[in-house]
Amino acid sequence: QLLESGGGLVQPGGSLRLSCAASGFTFSSYAMNWVRQAPGKGLEWVSVINDGGGLSYYADSVKGRFTISRDNSKNTVYLQMNSLRAEDTAVYYCAKDLAENVWGSFRFDYWGQGALVTVSS
Amino acid sequence: EIVLTQSPATLSLSPGESATLSCRASESVSSYLVWYQQKPGQAPRLLIYDATNRATGTPARFSGSGSGTDFTLTISSLEPEDFAVYYCQQRGNWPPPTFGQGTRLEIK
Repeated sequence: QLLESGGGLVQPGGSLRLSCAASGFTFSSYAMNWVRQAPGKGLEWVSVINDGGGLSYYADSVKGRFTISRDNSKNTVYLQMNSLRAEDTAVYYCAKDLAENVWGSFRFDYWGQGALVTVSS
Repeated sequence: EIVLTQSPATLSLSPGESATLSCRASESVSSYLVWYQQKPGQAPRLLIYDATNRATGTPARFSGSGSGTDFTLTISSLEPEDFAVYYCQQRGNWPPPTFGQGTRLEIK
């Protein structure tokens, strides 16, 4: 199970941190991702972090503004979002990778329920 | 960045009919193509990975085919619960992995 928290309304230029608490699997063995969906739109991959937390990648649209991290002792992955823009408004899903101990699998077999982030003044 | 184009945008069919959804990549992704189903208000659900492999729990009426740039998701004998939005996603050339824009399968 994946449970996101931390969403809400934030002004343009503001910051927000999303958390995703995992249970029911060996969290430290899987890469974790964030995928977002703007209202009424399709899916956009945002970021990935490897199982150990030492590798990460970002979509160009968020590079330099968002930071992904994880705490394997707490079975939690985070997304720190800074310099937020109106176009960042979306439901943010955390998603588990299908393959254990594989980097770059990008097959998302479990998803959280999503956290809504609204960037507006 | 690889662009995935899904067609049709909307498909109107009746329960019991067969559905064919297409996904075309702007360049080859080998067999690294994934299909998801999303129902309103829900997170996406993994259906098919690596073009042809059903995920755990995916009914046998769902099948995937294709390689390179052209892929198909076929749903034989549609059930009422199959009406949803379907997304393809490539992982053959990353970062980033990219999604198609989706096909809405609606009840006729």
